Amino acid sequence: AQSVTQLGSHVSVSEGALVLLRCNYSSSVPPYLFWYVQYPNQGLQLLLKYTTGATLVKGINGFEAEFKKSETSFHLTKPSAHMSDAAEYFCAVSRNYGQNFVFGPGTRLSVLP
Amino acid sequence: DTGVSQNPRHKITKRGQNVTFRCDPISEHNRLYWYRQTLGQGPEFLTYFQNEAQLEKSRLLSDRFSAERPKGSFSTLEIQRTEQGDSAMYLCASSPTEETQYFGPGTRLLVL
Repeated sequence: AQSVTQLGSHVSVSEGALVLLRCNYSSSVPPYLFWYVQYPNQGLQLLLKYTTGATLVKGINGFEAEFKKSETSFHLTKPSAHMSDAAEYFCAVSRNYGQNFVFGPGTRLSVLP
Repeated sequence: DTGVSQNPRHKITKRGQNVTFRCDPISEHNRLYWYRQTLGQGPEFLTYFQNEAQLEKSRLLSDRFSAERPKGSFSTLEIQRTEQGDSAMYLCASSPTEETQYFGPGTRLLVL
């Protein structure tokens, strides 16, 4: 069975600082990996995804993530945090095409002025 | 592309009542998913349609829950005899391919 863990339910960074949100997964087969962002009272918006190919994936709003198979990780980073980045971030995995997503519990990012 | 829409956005009901939610996917998306999200948690998969066929159902989907997608376009999720534990955000997503899912804004249900 697949599962996703996100270390740190709440992360606080200062504006302009590096953002690092951690995601580890367990999967019996090479997974498809996703990061979604959720703003208050809104649905989920896709930030980036890894399916095949290059392991460093760039997404919207300056975010990127690197798939590390040996570490079963897909951590999300952004070099410089902006106040507008404050939101809930979810890592998700799907095992195969057409399969449902398994989401992590989420990490709430706060950006301090 | 108007995005995935869900109605209503908010629903308050009394325990024991039936409720129905609607999801309109992005046009031409043949896959449609329902998820449930409780406070402080990630979304949990409920069910999945490819066109009008319901291909997968989670064990979370008890017999009080039923979902339909009669013409392969919009979908409805009905909860019968609601319980307080059903209070959650119900999210709908659609996808044109086997990968990326596009989510709607959700319907927030409160059962009193």
